[in-house]
Amino acid sequence: DQQVKQNSPSLSVQEGRISILNCDYTNSMFDYFLWYKKYPAEGPTFLISISSIKDKNEDGRFTVFLNKSAKHLSLHIVPSQPGDSAVYFCAARSGGYQKVTFGTGTKLQVIP
Amino acid sequence: NAGVTQTPKFRILKIGQSMTLQCAQDMNHNYMYWYRQDPGMGLKLIYYSVGAGITDKGEVPNGYNVSRSTTEDFPLRLELAAPSQTSVYFCASNPLADQETQYFGPGTRLLVL
Repeated sequence: DQQVKQNSPSLSVQEGRISILNCDYTNSMFDYFLWYKKYPAEGPTFLISISSIKDKNEDGRFTVFLNKSAKHLSLHIVPSQPGDSAVYFCAARSGGYQKVTFGTGTKLQVIP
Repeated sequence: NAGVTQTPKFRILKIGQSMTLQCAQDMNHNYMYWYRQDPGMGLKLIYYSVGAGITDKGEVPNGYNVSRSTTEDFPLRLELAAPSQTSVYFCASNPLADQETQYFGPGTRLLVL
């Protein structure tokens, strides 16, 4: 049972344009959502998060939007840069720190 | 700070062999975790620890064991390696004051043949 779904395995975007990565979830008990970025041969690194009581959180070029009624969140990167090329994991937490569920990841390629 | 370190980076095991994946962090974090990532899949939690001497099972603990004798170290033991344990293993940690974000090591790639 995939509680956190990233239906797009890959995405290509031109440098300078907006990248939109999507994530859907099924568990209404999730109270915190996170995005991690992963480069090849490295571990994931935390990028941005959002609490379930908010609908938007912004950090520089990165913005996460949460639509609770649709059980959907998205990560916007504006403007996209070649260094943003990586795999992005959506993750969700319920009931405590250890109960973090990860999506399968979306590989973003930013074309110069 | 070195952050979270993992050794080895890559290992090939024969079926039935055993090995220990090492994980250490120098950030004095209370919480530590072991995940595995299979191709095309998300990270699955194997075991976690809330502090020295305290460990608990995650989503996929079968075939693995852990110990946490110190705050810094959290080794993962495979007793009888099976092909299904071929995966990339990530160790992670976070402090008590920041329970939302986890700091990951670079991973150990394990191939069981």
